[in-house]
Order: sequence, then C-alpha cells, then structure tokens
Amino acid sequence: DAGVIQSPRHEVTEMGQEVTLRCKPISGHDYLFWYRQTMMRGLELLIYFNNNVPIDDSGMPEDRFSAKMPNASFSTLKIQPSEPRDSAVYFCATARAPPYGYTFGSGTRLTVV
Amino acid sequence: AQSVTQPDIHITVSEGASLELRCNYSYGATPYLFWYVQSPGQGLQLLLKYFSGDTLVQGIKGFEAEFKRSQSSFNLRKPSVHWSDAAEYFCAVGEGGGGNKLTFGTGTQLKVEL
Repeated sequence: DAGVIQSPRHEVTEMGQEVTLRCKPISGHDYLFWYRQTMMRGLELLIYFNNNVPIDDSGMPEDRFSAKMPNASFSTLKIQPSEPRDSAVYFCATARAPPYGYTFGSGTRLTVV
Repeated sequence: AQSVTQPDIHITVSEGASLELRCNYSYGATPYLFWYVQSPGQGLQLLLKYFSGDTLVQGIKGFEAEFKRSQSSFNLRKPSVHWSDAAEYFCAVGEGGGGNKLTFGTGTQLKVEL
C-alpha cells in the first residue's frame, strides 16, 4: 500500500498563475478530503468527496478554487488565479466508509510570490 | 457547530517523564474523537480514535486517551515520553455520516528535553 500520494511536494508560482495540486487516494477508500494548513488558521477542510461526488464544498475560500474527482483514483485541486494569501500546505486525506479515520498524504507546500 | 480546543500551544517535557495533552470538544451528539501526530514536513498520522464503548482507548506508539463525557474532554497520555515523540499533536472531532468530516484543534507542539 503506497498510501495517499500527492504531487507535487513543493510548488512555487507567481501571483496570477494557475496551480493544480494532485492526489491519488488509497484504493478502496471512498472518501477524499482536501485540507489547507496555515499557521494563522490551522487545518481547514476545503471540500470532500464520497464515491467521487462532491459532498461539502463550504470550505472552499472563493471561486478561484475548484476541485474535481473524475474517478476513484485521482483528484485535483485547482487555484486560478493564485494569490500570495493562498500560500499554505495543502493536504489530501482519504478514508474508508465511516467510522474510520483519515490517512493523510504528505502534502503540497504551495508558495505564491 | 462542533469545535475542538487544545488549550496548550507548546509543552516541554523531559525524556522519560509522563505526558498529558489536553483536548476539549463541543458537539451535540456522541462524538467521534481522534488524535493525530504530525512530524515536521509530514502529513498527519492517526494515533488513536474513540467511537463508543470503553472510554480508555489505546493507540500506537504507547499512547492512550480517555473520553470523559462529563468534562467534554479527550486527553492524550503517555507514561514515559521518548525524544522521538517530539512533534505536533492534533485532536479532532468528527461529524457527518459516521464522523468522517473532521474538525481539528489548533494543535499542541511537544518538545522533549534530553
């Protein structure tokens, strides 16, 4: 089991550019979550999917953020256009049907300059 | 809405000493409770979880936690801390269908003195 795989590990981009973060969940995990971690706000849930369907996107900051899960093996989080305040570590986590806890990926550290 | 409070931002203990990290939650129903640990540059790793039944739960790496409904607490303990336990620890409460949507506390940074 390779765990939850996120790419890239680090991303540095200029303000205004499009950024795409990727996540490969653990096979058999029906839930997928995108979290953002910053010093100021801690861990924030952005969106989560169940069986590839978005269930709750109330944490997505604004329309610049979008997430997709086209199949059970892949999800993306896109920011367009990016801004310096988007700089954070973005985590993908997956889980089986409840009541199991999450398995986190190693995160993508995004820096927008 | 649910919430989690970790009142200690930083804690320093000597290696071999006992450890207790505090966690208080706010949730209307029976909570699903979790403790995670995060090492620098890494994702979060699940230490233990509570859903129901025995209020004292055992986890990995020698950690345990006790659920106290009357105090709305779920404190994490370890009898003897090792230098490798230095990390950040997060308490979380779950809601939604089966507790899968987690709300995290702000974390407690643990430093271990040799």
